[in-house]
Amino acid sequence: SQTIHQWPATLVQPVGSPLSLECTVEGTSNPNLYWYRQAAGRGLQLLFYSVGIGQISSEVPQNLSASRPQDRQFILSSKKLLLSDSGFYLCAWSVRGDREAFFGQGTRLTVV
Amino acid sequence: AQTVTQSQPEMSVQEAETVTLSCTYDTSESDYYLFWYKQPPSRQMILVIRQEAYKQQNATENRFSVNFQKAAKSFSLKISDSQLGDAAMYFCAYRRRGGGDMRFGAGTRLTVKP
Repeated sequence: SQTIHQWPATLVQPVGSPLSLECTVEGTSNPNLYWYRQAAGRGLQLLFYSVGIGQISSEVPQNLSASRPQDRQFILSSKKLLLSDSGFYLCAWSVRGDREAFFGQGTRLTVV
Repeated sequence: AQTVTQSQPEMSVQEAETVTLSCTYDTSESDYYLFWYKQPPSRQMILVIRQEAYKQQNATENRFSVNFQKAAKSFSLKISDSQLGDAAMYFCAYRRRGGGDMRFGAGTRLTVKP
């Protein structure tokens, strides 16, 4: 069966520090991968999605970047965090051409 | 661009009663999928139900059912016999056939009163 791992679960980082959140999927090949951000009490904002290695689409200009160095690995990064980067980040995957997305447990990021 | 709108930020229901959550969407596509996700306090996103746009029959999963009105671009979720464990944020989502990104509404927070 397929599983998705996302870590860390919580993270407190100072302003100006770098960020690296990692997400890996097991049990499937060539998944579509997604990074979402959820601000407190709000919906999900799509940040990045990827349909293959090295293929990243960005939804909004921001302080973040994403990379897909391997088929089932998706990394969310920042060189210098801002206070506004605080939030709940969710990684998700779906089978290409298929329907629903499956989500990781999420990372709560607090920038102080 | 596709957009998904949930006009009810909060809803409440008495335990064992029925509640309907609303969702509308905007798209120029004719073939797509619609979903309802549940996010309990644990923040884990859980798929509740899915609907294929080409199917006229409304999807049903146990106590959860949808009212899909394609022409009106409406996709509501009905929860019957509400239980305390149904309390959560509910998100409506859209995805066009063939893959790519998923679009989510802002969510509806459902409270279940004992």
